[in-house]
Amino acid sequence: EPEVTQTPSHQVTQMGQEVILRCVPISNHLYFYWYRQILGQKVEFLVSFYNNEISEKSEIFDDQFSVERPDGSNFTLKIRSTKLEDSAMYFCASRRDRQGRAFFGQGTRLTVV
Amino acid sequence: KNEVEQSPQNLTAQEGEFITINCSYSVGISALHWLQQHPGGGIVSLFMLSSGKKKHGRLIATINIQEKHSSLHITASHPRDSAVYICAIIYSGGGADGLTFGKGTHLIIQP
Repeated sequence: EPEVTQTPSHQVTQMGQEVILRCVPISNHLYFYWYRQILGQKVEFLVSFYNNEISEKSEIFDDQFSVERPDGSNFTLKIRSTKLEDSAMYFCASRRDRQGRAFFGQGTRLTVV
Repeated sequence: KNEVEQSPQNLTAQEGEFITINCSYSVGISALHWLQQHPGGGIVSLFMLSSGKKKHGRLIATINIQEKHSSLHITASHPRDSAVYICAIIYSGGGADGLTFGKGTHLIIQP
C-alpha cells in the first residue's frame, strides 16, 4: 500500500527556535493535512491544503505556523518560534480527493525544551 | 463540547472475543473514519464510511446516519488487535474537509 512519509521521526528543539517538519504525501494525492496530538490527548486538526493554498485552518494554526508545498513532492509545516506547548506528535495526511480515504504518516514527535 | 463521543474509553477482553466500539456524533457529516493507532503512535485508516456497512478481514464497520452513530466490530479478537481505535468525522457542507477526532478507545486483548 502507498505510504505517506514524514521526517524526522523525532526532533528536539529549544524554545524560540524555528522547526520545519517534512512530509512526502502519496504521489497522486491532491489534498494535504497536518494534525497534532499532544501527549495523552486526542488528535487535533491544524490545516488543510489544496491547489497550493490553505483551504481550512483551525484556531490552533496561528501566525506562528505556516505550510508550504515547495516542489511537487514535499509538504512542510513550519513553526516559527516554538513554545513548550508545541511539544506534540505531528501527523501529515493526504487524500486523493475529498471523497477518498485519508492516509497518515507515522508522525514526527516534536519536543520543545 | 465533544462533537465525537466514543465508548467505551477502555476495553480489556480475552482473545477470541467479539469486540464492539461505539461512536456517536452530534453534527451532520459527509463521512466517518475509523482509525487505528498503535503504541508507537502511527495512525492507520481502517475504514471510511458514509452509509451502510464495510468489512475488511475480521473488522466490520457500520454507520447509521439518521441516528448519528457508528460501530466498529472485531471478530475473533487477537492480541495484535490491541491498539487505540479512533472515530473521526468530516463535517458536511462548506469547505471543511479536515477530520474531527474522538478521544479513542484503548483496546487490550489478553491471550
